[in-house]
Amino acid sequence: DTAVSQTPKYLVTQMGNDKSIKCEQNLGHDTMYWYKQDSKKFLKIMFSYNNKELIINETVPNRFSPKSPDKAHLNLHINSLELGDSAVYFCASRAGRFVNTEAFFGQGTRLTVV
Amino acid sequence: AQSVTQLGSHVSVSEGALVLLRCNYSSSVPPYLFWYVQYPNQGLQLLLKYTTGATLVKGINGFEAEFKKSETSFHLTKPSAHMSDAAEYFCAVIAYGNNRLAFGKGNQVVVIP
Repeated sequence: DTAVSQTPKYLVTQMGNDKSIKCEQNLGHDTMYWYKQDSKKFLKIMFSYNNKELIINETVPNRFSPKSPDKAHLNLHINSLELGDSAVYFCASRAGRFVNTEAFFGQGTRLTVV
Repeated sequence: AQSVTQLGSHVSVSEGALVLLRCNYSSSVPPYLFWYVQYPNQGLQLLLKYTTGATLVKGINGFEAEFKKSETSFHLTKPSAHMSDAAEYFCAVIAYGNNRLAFGKGNQVVVIP
């Protein structure tokens, strides 16, 4: 039973399109994240939600919009896709009310913009 | 804001030799430190974590790390490398009072037969 699941696993799309990535966790965690991993494997935090409230919003183009309909879901919508958006996007969750807890990661969504 | 530094993006080690990956942190409040491993085309998996208490932490797959406050370090070691240890390794930190889990740039470990 997958703890943090993302869909789709692969996404190939043309420049200018709008796409969404979905994330769901069944761990009962209250905090969820989106990370972007570039071609050099660097992991950059994009957003974090705690109990459906946005708590971290890094310097990310406003073409990226996260949405958390409930504590178990955090989706990422991207408008007007650009070549530079090509990367692997990871969703993660953790029990944020306990500061010493680790994050659990999904398998990633490899986005390729052509 | 808290951060971690990992030097040397690529690390080559012979099979059976010591694996040593360095991580130094910067935090104005007590940090909580983690090491994650990422195998090709997979997500990140926790190797071990330091929260409070014992400074020598043992993790999965024979890895361990020691928290040294005086050196602001949390280096990862494994006495004898195995071919299956070839992967990307990330050090991460979260500080008391916030939810920002920040990662280092990672080390790609290559194991030479």
